[in-house]
Amino acid sequence: DGGITQSPKYLFRKEGQNVTLSCEQNLNHDAMYWYRQDPGQGLRLIYYSQIVNDFQKGDIAEGYSVSREKKESFPLTVTSAQKNPTAFYLCASKPGAVSGNTIYFGEGSWLTVV
Amino acid sequence: GENVEQHPSTLSVQEGDSAVIKCTYSDSASNYFPWYKQELGKGPQLIIDIRSNVGEKKDQRIAVTLNKTAKHFSLHITETQPEDSAVYFCAARNTNAGKSTFGDGTTLTVKP
Repeated sequence: DGGITQSPKYLFRKEGQNVTLSCEQNLNHDAMYWYRQDPGQGLRLIYYSQIVNDFQKGDIAEGYSVSREKKESFPLTVTSAQKNPTAFYLCASKPGAVSGNTIYFGEGSWLTVV
Repeated sequence: GENVEQHPSTLSVQEGDSAVIKCTYSDSASNYFPWYKQELGKGPQLIIDIRSNVGEKKDQRIAVTLNKTAKHFSLHITETQPEDSAVYFCAARNTNAGKSTFGDGTTLTVKP
């Protein structure tokens, strides 16, 4: 089936550790996005990539890093510099940076700092 | 940049009643307005969208209206059912740009 796969679904991190959330899509989409969602709140853009080997900071990029070495993969690393990382993280993709308006979301990853 | 405000933050209706969620946007260059439904613990899914050259769009029990002059758009759900209970997000985008701006979401509860 075509879609966006995020893993792991649930992740626990100790303070001071970096963790990486995986996002893979087989939709052949050019654009990929990472959003953070806190309980009862909306979606805030962390990073986005419009093409392989290129990405831009979103509204809340501090404490996060990404890479886009392959079209189908856009992993997000939550670094120890992110002071409040406990949240629901959503990966998304779109056919093109400016074409294909619909954004498709993965099922999300829950990150908890213990 | 774009700013999207969504109201109300929570909405409770009786099964069979209608529900209306409203959003306003600030950037007159925005020309694409999708609505997403998010069920608990899952990713949002597109339910309906509208472009700025259209004033209204319907899909069965769901409709969206757009007022470009006032910069607001609304989601209308008629004959609500318990399975409509979810969080709904509006968004706005300039299709010449690379990212969408989302509202903060509305938690809709449909009571049987």
